[in-house]
Amino acid sequence: NAGVTQTPKFRVLKTGQSMTLLCAQDMNHEYMYWYRQDPGMGLRLIHYSVGEGTTAKGEVPDGYNVSRLKKQNFLLGLESAAPSQTSVYFCASSSGDDWDTQYFGPGTRLTVL
Amino acid sequence: GDSVTQMEGPVTLSEEAFLTINCTYTATGYPSLFWYVQYPGEGLQLLLKATKADDKGSNKGFEATYRKETTSFHLEKGSVQVSDSAVYFCALRGPRGYQKVTFGTGTKLQVIP
Repeated sequence: NAGVTQTPKFRVLKTGQSMTLLCAQDMNHEYMYWYRQDPGMGLRLIHYSVGEGTTAKGEVPDGYNVSRLKKQNFLLGLESAAPSQTSVYFCASSSGDDWDTQYFGPGTRLTVL
Repeated sequence: GDSVTQMEGPVTLSEEAFLTINCTYTATGYPSLFWYVQYPGEGLQLLLKATKADDKGSNKGFEATYRKETTSFHLEKGSVQVSDSAVYFCALRGPRGYQKVTFGTGTKLQVIP
């Protein structure tokens, strides 16, 4: 039981490049989330999903897209990276029975030059 | 909107010292309150939670009491260990909208032998 895994762990991009962050969970959770963590700002919700095939905007969705084609996977895309997207990205999941308890992945550190 | 305010860190304590990390919140209605912990290089883990006024959440020797009258949820531990060194996040979820968890900025705790 791996819990929530994220790929890659580190990435450096140049401005304008694109990339996709992959989140996978093996707990059969319905809900999945993408957060970004910036110094002095805590975690902010980017997008979330309440089930396979569904996505919704969170607090800071601009510049990001997401997809949830399979229940266990939640992808976060950056179409044209900007330096302001330099951050640590965390994926989380929770079950429908206990959606208060979110399980987090180890994070992806992204630097945009 | 909802907000969470935590005491700024870093907090440095000697082993076996008493710990308090202050957290106050602003929210409409009756939110659920949480403490998450982030160990170095890892994602966040739920430490404890309380869902209604006067509830006390507890786990691993940590405690926090939901105080509606003072809108607070301070984290305490009677005797800290070096292994408690981490970043602690206070968070709330409003009574509606399971997907929206508002996090504080985090408080770094360093425990020295």
